[in-house]
Amino acid sequence: ETGVTQSPTHLIKTRGQQVTLRCSSQSGHNTVSWYQQALGQGPQFIFQYYREEENGRGNFPPRFSGLQFPNYSSELNVNALELDDSALYLCASGRGGSYEQYFGPGTRLTVT
Amino acid sequence: KNQVEQSPQSLIILEGKNCTLQCNYTVSPFSNLRWYKQDTGRGPVSLTIMTFSENTKSNGRYTATLDADTKQSSLHITASQLSDSASYICVVSAGGTSYGKLTFGQGTILTVHP
Repeated sequence: ETGVTQSPTHLIKTRGQQVTLRCSSQSGHNTVSWYQQALGQGPQFIFQYYREEENGRGNFPPRFSGLQFPNYSSELNVNALELDDSALYLCASGRGGSYEQYFGPGTRLTVT
Repeated sequence: KNQVEQSPQSLIILEGKNCTLQCNYTVSPFSNLRWYKQDTGRGPVSLTIMTFSENTKSNGRYTATLDADTKQSSLHITASQLSDSASYICVVSAGGTSYGKLTFGQGTILTVHP
């Protein structure tokens, strides 16, 4: 176990709805990254937060947004859900200055 | 465009045999290369991390190599076990800090049969 937890484990939403996914980082970690992994594909980088500020972003539209809280837990929000948003969403936490990242188990989102 | 290509896409071997997975990348500037193991429906778990100056790193039965000149890496698994069945993902980090954006390969699905 990596000490990184995510909730919920599974989620089913309807197209057009909004969703919030949550991640609790490992103790002592101050960076968190979010990834989208479609079935049979490698994860795609969505964005990273460091000390509550967005620190880098992949090729995802603005309807993907995030927050990092003072206790370094994090949220991923997705508005106006589309069918293609169905995927496993992974968060990974790390310590600034270290290359190592620790992944959570993921949230499986299904959009119908 | 930063890319990471892995081969083969899938591999089936018998328990106890060795295997080697390949990774080619076009990521610039290069910071580090990582190999992860991902069980179905689970988050990836780090096996090795190598920076530019490292050309080999081991973690138990897993040995990763890096050739920064040819931009190639390999992951060698010795004496395979049934529990090695998983997807193995090569990940390359761009930039000079740990905050560098990660580019993931599509993974190699390894199946170990008894």
